[in-house]
Amino acid sequence: DGGITQSPKYLFRKEGQNVTLSCEQNLNHDAMYWYRQDPGQGLRLIYYSQIVNDFQKGDIAEGYSVSREKKESFPLTVTSAQKNPTAFYLCASTGREADYGYTFGSGTRLTVV
Amino acid sequence: EDKVVQSPLSLVVHEGDTVTLNCSYEVTNFRSLLWYKQEKKAPTFLFMLTSSGIEKKSGRLSSILDKKELFSILNITATQTGDSAVYLCAAPRTGNNRKLIWGLGTSLGVNP
Repeated sequence: DGGITQSPKYLFRKEGQNVTLSCEQNLNHDAMYWYRQDPGQGLRLIYYSQIVNDFQKGDIAEGYSVSREKKESFPLTVTSAQKNPTAFYLCASTGREADYGYTFGSGTRLTVV
Repeated sequence: EDKVVQSPLSLVVHEGDTVTLNCSYEVTNFRSLLWYKQEKKAPTFLFMLTSSGIEKKSGRLSSILDKKELFSILNITATQTGDSAVYLCAAPRTGNNRKLIWGLGTSLGVNP
């Protein structure tokens, strides 16, 4: 079955460490997205990529980095520069215009300890 | 600036009740409006609406768009405890139809 796989589901990080969240899709979708979700704040766009080897900053890109070396993969690195990294992170993809809807992964909950 | 506003932010009902969730939008080059249901993890797609006045229906859920008044409603009839979730609406942004602008969601609780 086609879908998006995010790993790990839960991640604990010490302050000052970088961590990388994995997102893999086998839907042959061109565009991929990373969102952060905090209580009461809805979904906020971190980065998105519309094609391999290209990506753009979203609304809250500071402290994050991404790469898109393969169509199937869009990993997100949360760097030590991110002031409040504890959050729920969602990866999504779409093959056409966004108004056809996104497919989401099941998310990674990152906790800084 | 594009925006999507949902109301109410939270709602608690009893099983069997009917609920109506609201989503208003301001998007310069409006294309469509999307509804999602989010239980614990990934949002799942419910409806895409593009035309005014045409109801989309799936079981006990239905949705309709009013392009003149710039809003959409999501109706759930005969609610069940399994309908407890956050319901999100979103619309493609002006100038970049691969990016969505999201409402904050309505948190629905259904008590037995």
